[in-house]
Amino acid sequence: NAGVTQTPKFQVLKTGQSMTLQCAQDMNHNSMYWYRQDPGMGLRLIYYSASEGTTDKGEVPNGYNVSRLNKREFSLRLESAAPSQTSVYFCASSTDVGGGGYTFGSGTRLTVV
Amino acid sequence: EDQVTQSPEALRLQEGESSSLNCSYTVSGLRGLFWYRQDPGKGPEFLFTLYSAGEEKEKERLKATLTKKESFLHITAPKPEDSATYLCAVLGGSNYKLTFGKGTLLTVNP
Repeated sequence: NAGVTQTPKFQVLKTGQSMTLQCAQDMNHNSMYWYRQDPGMGLRLIYYSASEGTTDKGEVPNGYNVSRLNKREFSLRLESAAPSQTSVYFCASSTDVGGGGYTFGSGTRLTVV
Repeated sequence: EDQVTQSPEALRLQEGESSSLNCSYTVSGLRGLFWYRQDPGKGPEFLFTLYSAGEEKEKERLKATLTKKESFLHITAPKPEDSATYLCAVLGGSNYKLTFGKGTLLTVNP
């Protein structure tokens, strides 16, 4: 089983550029999440999708947008990248929102210069 | 607001030297406490869920316990392959998101 697949694994952007981080899960999970992980800050929730067709803001949503394309896929878009968005981004999924046994992807390391 | 504090930030052990990691939490209506392991360059890997005070879970050399204010991850006779960052997270009754601690970096020397 692939679990949660994230692409790309690494990306360098210039300030002001846009990009979309892709995430897909093959576990038939209802809920999906986007986190960012920064040194000394821990994992912080950007957006989540409790079920197909719904999305909600997390702790640090500014500068990001998301799309729950279908049950399997949940994408994260940076419209105008800023150096403060340099981070490692993780996508995760769970059976339902409130089920904490998340399955995480392997991450996207993003650098904005 | 839910809060999770993990200690110590880093722990260095010799192979076979048992120890414990601490996770203190403040949450309104605990629905679950979760432990994850994260290896460098990888995503967190789920280890345990604990739901109520007094509950214990075990997996190989790891045992997680829960009280009303904190959780411990006990590591018995650790091996170098146990080296990783261990993350604690809580799910509170007032929201639907996990709140993570900053983690404990465990290094086990051979």
